[in-house]
Amino acid sequence: DAGVIQSPRHEVTEMGQEVTLRCKPISGHDYLFWYRQTMMRGLELLIYFNNNVPIDDSGMPEDRFSAKMPNASFSTLKIQPSEPRDSAVYFCASRAGTGTSTDTQYFGPGTRLTVL
Amino acid sequence: AQSVTQLGSHVSVSEGALVLLRCNYSSSVPPYLFWYVQYPNQGLQLLLKYTSAATLVKGINGFEAEFKKSETSFHLTKPSAHMSDAAEYFCAVTPNTDKLIFGTGTRLQVFP
Repeated sequence: DAGVIQSPRHEVTEMGQEVTLRCKPISGHDYLFWYRQTMMRGLELLIYFNNNVPIDDSGMPEDRFSAKMPNASFSTLKIQPSEPRDSAVYFCASRAGTGTSTDTQYFGPGTRLTVL
Repeated sequence: AQSVTQLGSHVSVSEGALVLLRCNYSSSVPPYLFWYVQYPNQGLQLLLKYTSAATLVKGINGFEAEFKKSETSFHLTKPSAHMSDAAEYFCAVTPNTDKLIFGTGTRLQVFP
């Protein structure tokens, strides 16, 4: 199994530009999570999906952030327009949907975003 | 609200010494608890998890953790540190929901 795949691994962009981060979860996993990691705020859950449906987006910082999951094997996190304070490492994670929250979340390698 | 507190943002040990990383939780319901490790420039990887079975949980790479309800703790230990253990360690709790609530992390340094 290839694990959770994220692309790109690094993204450098200028303030005001649109940024799209991509994630392919582990095949067969029903849950997909997007996290953001910064030195100041640690690891924050932004949004998560179950069976492609957004369940909780209360962690999305503002309207500039949006996430979609058009099918079971692909999700995007979009920032438009981007700002320097969005600079962080963004992780995607997936989990099987066996009905218990003790199932392990498997993390991707992350996308390091730098907004100049 | 459920939360975890990791005491000590940095811990330094000598190679071969005991590793002890502290985690205390707050939960109004019986929690499920996890320890994850993050190596530089990588994602998080599960070390071990407590799911209300045995209170002493053994994980990968020689790590273990003991759930102590009376102390609301889930400290991570390893008898003998190795240089390859240098990483950041995160404690997390899930109060029977889909979400994981992470602590702020503890960076472990191992000196030769």
